[in-house]
Order: sequence, then C-alpha cells, then structure tokens
Amino acid sequence: EIVLTQSPGTLSLSPGERATLSCRTSQSFGTNNFAWYQQRPGQAPRLLIYAAFNRAAGIPDRFSGSGSGTDFTLTISRLEPEDFAVYFCHQYGRSAFAFGPGTTLDIK
Amino acid sequence: EVQLLESGGGLQHPGGSLRLSCGGSGFIFNIYAMSWVRQAPGKGLEWVSGISVAGGSTYYSDSVRGRFTISRDNSMKTLFLQMNTLRPEDTAFYFCARHGGASYDRYIDNWGQGTLVTVSS
Repeated sequence: EIVLTQSPGTLSLSPGERATLSCRTSQSFGTNNFAWYQQRPGQAPRLLIYAAFNRAAGIPDRFSGSGSGTDFTLTISRLEPEDFAVYFCHQYGRSAFAFGPGTTLDIK
Repeated sequence: EVQLLESGGGLQHPGGSLRLSCGGSGFIFNIYAMSWVRQAPGKGLEWVSGISVAGGSTYYSDSVRGRFTISRDNSMKTLFLQMNTLRPEDTAFYFCARHGGASYDRYIDNWGQGTLVTVSS
C-alpha cells in the first residue's frame, strides 16, 4: 500500500509571501504520475498540477510543481487571498491511487 | 464547461443501501474513465471506485469491495454507485470524478460538488 505524507500539516503565511508545500511517497514508481489539488472550504477539489510539473488549464503561473521519485513540491510564488485553502497531493497509476492527508495554508 | 452533478445522498441506517448518481455534461461522457472519491467531514480524500469508459472494467478500494458497485450508462451520461451494507465509517461526501482520459490510471481533472452520505442509527 502506498502512503503519501505531506508537510507541513499547517502553513501560516501572509499574502505576497512564497509558499512551499512538500509531499513524500512511500514508494517510487519511476514515473511522475503525481498531481496537486486545491480545496477551498465547502468546495470540491480543483486540479492544479499533473504529471508533477504541468499546470492544469486556467491555473495561474504563480503555481508550480517540481520533484521526482518519492519527493514532490508545490510552490506558490506570491500568495493571493484566494490561495488560502487546503492542498492535497496525489499519486496515480495502475499500481497506486492515493491521496496525501493535506496541508492547510492559512493566513498569518 | 465540464459539469458533474451528484445526487442520491442522504441519511441511512447501518446495513442499509443507497444509490448515488452523477450526471455529466459539457463533455463527451463515453471517452473518459470515471471514479467516485469520498471525504469524511473535515478529513482527507479517499478513492472509492473507478470504471473504464465502456464499463467493462471496474475497480474498488479494499474498504468497499464486495459492498459497493460502480456502473455507468453512457447513453444517459450518468455514473452510478450502488452502496449496500452501509457502515458508519462510510459517512462522507461522495464526489463524482472524471479522469483525464480513457484510462482509469490517469489523474482526476474534474470533480462534482459532492453529495453527503450519512450512516447512523
């Protein structure tokens, strides 16, 4: 069973600051089948990043994904008020389909 | 615009059954794999079940295998989840989810708003 671990659990920052969110998987599948989602309160998740570093349609370029193997990172270069939300990482593929527990990004 | 609209949630007693539906619009329904993903209130995301484009292949998490059945009617552009022998731990928002292509092993690129299932005596 694949396990995803996200850190930190909560990140408190101010608008305009840079946010760095991390996710580690328990197994490497040798591919970048990795995605990031944003979930605002009371809303469904929204795809931000797929295949580790590709932005989904309509996602601002302040969001970027990086990493490979077992360690992946989501960076938000300059936080906007609407970016304060919960972020989930996601490993997908025939051998694994799992989500991380989430990182809460809140306003400092 | 892609839209996924779930229905069928509600309150059910332990051991009972519910059938969820998800109507898709704004895209060609029969060329995308689909899944159900659930989220207990205030908790993280848990993939529940997935289905291939024609419905011939289905996949389940260990926690629901043997109790839940996923199906689809492409003529009606609708995804279903039949949930039997419900348990309190099945209480969650259930999201209908579209994969980013014909294969179940691709990322999820669109989500419905969810329907709440509560299992309680």
